[in-house]
Amino acid sequence: QQPVQSPQAVILREGEDAVINCSSSKALYSVHWYRQKHGEAPVFLMILLKGGEQKGHDKISASFNEKKQQSSLYLTASQLSYSGTYFCGTGSPGTSYGKLTFGQGTILTVHP
Amino acid sequence: DTGVSQNPRHKITKRGQNVTFRCDPISEHNRLYWYRQTLGQGPEFLTYFQNEAQLEKSRLLSDRFSAERPKGSFSTLEIQRTEQGDSAMYLCASSSPGGPWSSYNEQFFGPGTRLTVL
Repeated sequence: QQPVQSPQAVILREGEDAVINCSSSKALYSVHWYRQKHGEAPVFLMILLKGGEQKGHDKISASFNEKKQQSSLYLTASQLSYSGTYFCGTGSPGTSYGKLTFGQGTILTVHP
Repeated sequence: DTGVSQNPRHKITKRGQNVTFRCDPISEHNRLYWYRQTLGQGPEFLTYFQNEAQLEKSRLLSDRFSAERPKGSFSTLEIQRTEQGDSAMYLCASSSPGGPWSSYNEQFFGPGTRLTVL
């Protein structure tokens, strides 16, 4: 089953903050976050691993609650360039490393 | 080398025809993935190679789909006897082998091949 993202869409003005959530019904060992602009390839933002390790961009933060099988992506002081669709991809025990199951996406629109 | 490349970028075909897509990963990356993405959805995993070995195939990959990576470099995805339901964006991604994070390295996506089956 694919993870569920919320909200489905969010509209912001420049400088406002947003939180995007990703929830899975399966145990997770990793959560990957990507942003995709219309007509372009998904771009890597962040990896969070079971045990608390993270790898990603300095300006983006995220959390991973292993027990609740949830992750949240925090976008602060949003810029116009943040607009796009955000996807979480999850890795679970019993699957190949690197095999990701993606959520349906959250559309973020930032207005001036 | 500036990233993952895919060819063609667009393909329009008639139902029942065969199509083949190519993916060239970032040169030092040993892992290569194929995904399918339909409008309004996230990418769906299709298959995964480590070097030339195909390690996992999704149940989504019916017998009409086949993927190869003969020399551990570029990969091809072939769809035989295309159906209208095959219309989608086919994305390729690659990731690097090294480092303590190797099993969890970020996947770099190509621009995709958009397939339209008439």
